[in-house]
Formats: sequence, structure tokens, C-alpha cells
Amino acid sequence: AQSVTQLDSQVPVFEEAPVELRCNYSSSVSVYLFWYVQYPNQGLQLLLKYLSGSTLVESINGFEAEFNKSQTSFHLRKPSVHISDTAEYFCAVSRAGGYNKLIFGAGTRLAVHP
Amino acid sequence: DADVTQTPRNRITKTGKRIMLECSQTKGHDRMYWYRQDPGLGLRLIYYSFDVKDINKGEISDGYSVSRQAQAKFSLSLESAIPNQTALYFCATSGGTSGTDTQYFGPGTRLTVL
Repeated sequence: AQSVTQLDSQVPVFEEAPVELRCNYSSSVSVYLFWYVQYPNQGLQLLLKYLSGSTLVESINGFEAEFNKSQTSFHLRKPSVHISDTAEYFCAVSRAGGYNKLIFGAGTRLAVHP
Repeated sequence: DADVTQTPRNRITKTGKRIMLECSQTKGHDRMYWYRQDPGLGLRLIYYSFDVKDINKGEISDGYSVSRQAQAKFSLSLESAIPNQTALYFCATSGGTSGTDTQYFGPGTRLTVL
């Protein structure tokens, strides 16, 4: 079975500051890793995902995440956040070769202040 | 128009009532999912369907049932609602058969059981 731990439930940060949202996972088999974002009063949408290959993956809005197999982590980073990045961020895993069943972490609420 | 729609968006009901939440999608996907979101717990899978004839229980299916009326429609029912089923419910779809596929979420239904 897989599990996901998001180490921070809330992260407050000032605009233009860097941010890191931490995610650790546990699995006895290979997994795919995802970050989904939920803006206020909306459903979740995919931010980025790691399937294979380069361990650093990027999103179109400046976020990046690095897969670290030895530390079983997939932390999300952005060098300079904007007010519009305020949202809840969910890390998720699915079993490689499985049936697209996602296991989600509890979420991290990112609050960007002016 | 949204690709994944959910009705109703908000519902308040009383203990013991039967409730149906509906989900429709225009993405042409075979796979559909129902999740519930609770603060501090992230999203948990209730049921999932790989096609009209294939329905599977997720990790928290007790107290819920589903119906896949067509490829585009997937309904979630609470036969006798109880207060601890108060939550935000999301429907999602995906188009592929592997764990690599992105899931597309509806806007959610906020259910309150008094």
C-alpha cells in the first residue's frame, strides 16, 4: 500500500518570497507522483507530475518539484510566489503499473500575503 | 463550458434522508471517480468505475452506493445520510488505463447533514 505525508498543513509567506511545500511518500513498489492544486471554491487541477526520466519536473506557472527516491520525497518549490498562488496543494501517488488510483496527502494551504 | 459538472453544488439535508449527487462529463473518458474531502484528511476515494459495467469500491465505500448510468454520468447516493458524511464531494474522470493519467475534477458538492 502507498501513503503520502505532507509535512505542513499551512504555509504563510510574503509575496515574491520563495516557498517549499514538503511531501514524503511510502511505497514498497514504484510509484508515479503528482501535485494537484485547489484554488478557492474550485475543484483540483493537475500542477505537475513525475512519471520517469528527469527527476526535476516543472509546471507552466513557475513551480517545480524534484523526485528524490532515496529520501522518498517530492517537494514542491517556487522561487518567487504571487498572491494568485494562494491555494491548497495536494501531493498524490499512484502505483506504477496500477489502475490510476490516486492516494492523496492531507494538503498544504499556501497563503501568500502582500 | 466545464468538462466535469456536478449537481447540486450545495446541499443541506437531515439525518436519515436519501441523497443523490450527480456527475456528468463531456471529456469522453471511460474512468470516473468519487472522492470526499475532509479538512486535514485530504481526498479519499469512495468508488471508481472503469466503464459502465465495471464499478469498484474505494477505501471508504461504507454508507455510499453509486450508479454509472452512461459513459458520461456517474451518480453517488447516500441511502440514509448521517452527520459524519458532511463533507465536500468531488467527481473526477481520467481517460487512460494506467497510473500515469491526469484526473480531471469537477467543482465539488458541499453536503451538510444535520
